[in-house]
Amino acid sequence: DSGVTQTPKHLITATGQRVTLRCSPRSGDLSVYWYQQSLDQGLQFLIQYYNGEERAKGNILERFSAQQFPDLHSELNLSSLELGDSALYFCASSVEPGANYGYTFGSGTRLTVV
Amino acid sequence: GENVEQHPSTLSVQEGDSAVIKCTYSDSASNYFPWYKQELGKRPQLIIDIRSNVGEKKDQRIAVTLNKTAKHFSLHITETQPEDSAVYFCAASNPSSGGYQKVTFGTGTKLQVIP
Repeated sequence: DSGVTQTPKHLITATGQRVTLRCSPRSGDLSVYWYQQSLDQGLQFLIQYYNGEERAKGNILERFSAQQFPDLHSELNLSSLELGDSALYFCASSVEPGANYGYTFGSGTRLTVV
Repeated sequence: GENVEQHPSTLSVQEGDSAVIKCTYSDSASNYFPWYKQELGKRPQLIIDIRSNVGEKKDQRIAVTLNKTAKHFSLHITETQPEDSAVYFCAASNPSSGGYQKVTFGTGTKLQVIP
């Protein structure tokens, strides 16, 4: 157990639907990062939050949004889902705004859009 | 922005042989270089990292070297074992505004160790 908790582990939904992925960072970590990993692909950075504030945006679609709550957990909202959104979504956390000591990744949420 | 290139994309070695994965980066301000191992269906895990003030770091069978002048860094795995089979990602981290470090990942190397 890495200390970063992601729920749910698996999600199957239909095109056009909306889902919410949840992440609880490791205790003491203030930064949360979201990554998308499609089949046999690399890690695509979506968005980062630090202590409740958005810090950086990557290749995140307008249909996707995220937030970090006062208790530091984060949610990634994916709407108007398309088949191509099927992927493994990872959350990672680190103690400071950057990642000078590396990320700790959660186990991921596997999203399947049918 | 930073660009990280990783080679090779796939690598097959015989058990007991060495494996080398190479990455290059473009931003000379990058100062932290972690490596992650991702086994099939699992989360990426940090296995070793190196900072820009160090040229080499070793941890048992794995080592990482950094050449700041040439802007490249490499992962070396010696005496490979079947459990080393995984996808390995390099990354480069550089400071951005507001104390934020921006991390850019390489595209990954799928290592297969043949028993």
